[in-house]
Amino acid sequence: RKEVEQDPGPFNVPEGATVAFNCTYSNSASQSFFWYRQDCRKEPKLLMSVYSSGNEDGRFTAQLNRASQYISLLIRDSKLSDSATYLCVSASGNTPLVFGKGTRLSVIA
Amino acid sequence: EAGVAQSPRYKIIEKRQSVAFWCNPISGHATLYWYQQILGQGPKLLIQFQNNGVVDDSQLPKDRFSAERLKGVDSTLKIQPAKLEDSAVYLCASSLFSSTTYSGNTIYFGEGSWLTVV
Repeated sequence: RKEVEQDPGPFNVPEGATVAFNCTYSNSASQSFFWYRQDCRKEPKLLMSVYSSGNEDGRFTAQLNRASQYISLLIRDSKLSDSATYLCVSASGNTPLVFGKGTRLSVIA
Repeated sequence: EAGVAQSPRYKIIEKRQSVAFWCNPISGHATLYWYQQILGQGPKLLIQFQNNGVVDDSQLPKDRFSAERLKGVDSTLKIQPAKLEDSAVYLCASSLFSSTTYSGNTIYFGEGSWLTVV
């Protein structure tokens, strides 16, 4: 079983829609979680960190459910510029970050 | 502030040839990482340095891959001999220190070196 699993998508949504991605992790010792955004042929960039039950940053909300071992990312009022691959990442202590394969989002005009 | 610099951006080589990638991390960042990202997958850590010492190289195929960070600043990743399955983007990243759970320790990636082995 992969340590971090994501639905690869693609998720095709119209502008203004709300879209949610889920990610499950298998290592119960994982302490911290992140969402990275990766544009086509570009490097990953940190979108949000998730350290407790969740946090919100503008149109983006990340939530963590430790009991069920999943993290979610909610994007409200989707913009064309939100089109990208969203990578779910888990971390435990000083062990390396574990990346999921990513979920591809296309926002359509 | 300058980001993580990598070169070359693109490289095409034949199998069994060798290739080297160079990385210069963000100034002051003690921790440097090399990741391999195969098309359609997430990045996978190959090696992590803390200053000039290796912290984790458990996923580095040591029979063909090597990396060094001799002076604790820039780093080189070498593949010799290359195989077809080494075709990937090699991402260098850096952070202030090694803790992956501290909220202030963001990992910054370079644009990557795209390798095609034919």
